[in-house]
Amino acid sequence: NAGVTQTPKFQVLKTGQSMTLQCAQDMNHNSMYWYRQDPGMGLRLIYYSASEGTTDKGEVPNGYNVSRLNKREFSLRLESAAPSQTSVYFCASSEFGADEKLFFGSGTQLSVL
Amino acid sequence: QKEVEQNSGPLSVPEGAIASLNCTYSDRGSQSFFWYRQYSGKSPELIMSIYSNGDKEDGRFTAQLNKASQYVSLLIRDSQPSDSATYLCAPRGGGADGLTFGKGTHLIIQP
Repeated sequence: NAGVTQTPKFQVLKTGQSMTLQCAQDMNHNSMYWYRQDPGMGLRLIYYSASEGTTDKGEVPNGYNVSRLNKREFSLRLESAAPSQTSVYFCASSEFGADEKLFFGSGTQLSVL
Repeated sequence: QKEVEQNSGPLSVPEGAIASLNCTYSDRGSQSFFWYRQYSGKSPELIMSIYSNGDKEDGRFTAQLNKASQYVSLLIRDSQPSDSATYLCAPRGGGADGLTFGKGTHLIIQP
């Protein structure tokens, strides 16, 4: 039972490069989330998708775009990476809404040089 | 702007003692409250949820909620070295958005 799968686990980018973080869940969950975690800052919500076909901005959406490709997949794109985007990124899902238990992926460590 | 305050620690507690973790929040509309545990280098996992004022017990863990004081706490009885982790408080208001997490308290259980 895979749960929430994120790829890649590690990535190094140069400033200005673009990349997409992939996330897929196999629990038939409706809601999916992208968080970033920085030392001393805790987890901050970037974007979320309450249900298939909808996406909304969270606390720190600038510099990111998302796509809810289908019910299983929710990707996060950095169009022009900046050093300030160096962080650990977590994808999470829940059955419906954040009142339900969030299941997290294992995270992506991203460094932007 | 929702704010969640936690003492970042580290909070050092002897093995077998009670660890007390505290959290205050600014959003009076918060209805649900969650405690997540995060081991170093790992992803967060839910350990407790509480929705009503008072205490909720689950094994060695007790969550306490006081909505009037906008305060939620987590007690860990008979602390074990395996409890050493960062504990994240996450109140939730209405709406479909995600949780707002506190910065977490780093707990160290000393053998």
